[in-house]
Amino acid sequence: AQSVTQLGSHVSVSEGALVLLRCNYSSSVPPYLFWYVQYPNQGLQLLLKYTSAATLVKGINGFEAEFKKSETSFHLTKPSAHMSDAAEYFCAVSDENSGYALNFGKGTSLLVTP
Amino acid sequence: NAGVTQTPKFQVLKTGQSMTLQCAQDMNHNSMYWYRQDPGMGLRLIYYSASEGTTDKGEVPNGYNVSRLNKREFSLRLESAAPSQTSVYFCASSFTTANYGYTFGSGTRLTVV
Repeated sequence: AQSVTQLGSHVSVSEGALVLLRCNYSSSVPPYLFWYVQYPNQGLQLLLKYTSAATLVKGINGFEAEFKKSETSFHLTKPSAHMSDAAEYFCAVSDENSGYALNFGKGTSLLVTP
Repeated sequence: NAGVTQTPKFQVLKTGQSMTLQCAQDMNHNSMYWYRQDPGMGLRLIYYSASEGTTDKGEVPNGYNVSRLNKREFSLRLESAAPSQTSVYFCASSFTTANYGYTFGSGTRLTVV
């Protein structure tokens, strides 16, 4: 069964610094990979998704992620953090074998300090 | 364009009480899902409905039942609430398979005392 592991339950960066949130996946077939963001007391919003097209995926709010099959990774990056980026970020995976289920990681809480 | 609407937003139940969480989407999506979110656990799938008329168990179905009332609506029922079911519940929908990504509702915060 497919799964994802998010490395680091809490990440703290300074405003203006690089944001790097790590996600590694496990899947026996080509995966579909997603990053979602959750602001306090809100639902989840899709940031970006990889569906076997370009390996570098650009999303909303200046975020992007690169699919690296050799490393089974799909890390999320943003060149310059804003205070408004403080939120919980979830990596998720599905594949043809999973049919209809997205499997989520446990989440990474991003703190942005002035 | 409302997207996915969940009701209620907050609920407090006593142990043993029952309740139904409602979810409706207006995007003509075929698939609908119920997840629960607990601190440090991420989101775990309770039940899903791939299409109208079908439902299947997810990772944590015990203590829950679902009904896909029509294409728009997918309800989650707790027959006899337990403190372990204290959680935030999210409904989501997608066009077909999960590979298209989900649209989430804003959640129901349930406390069982």
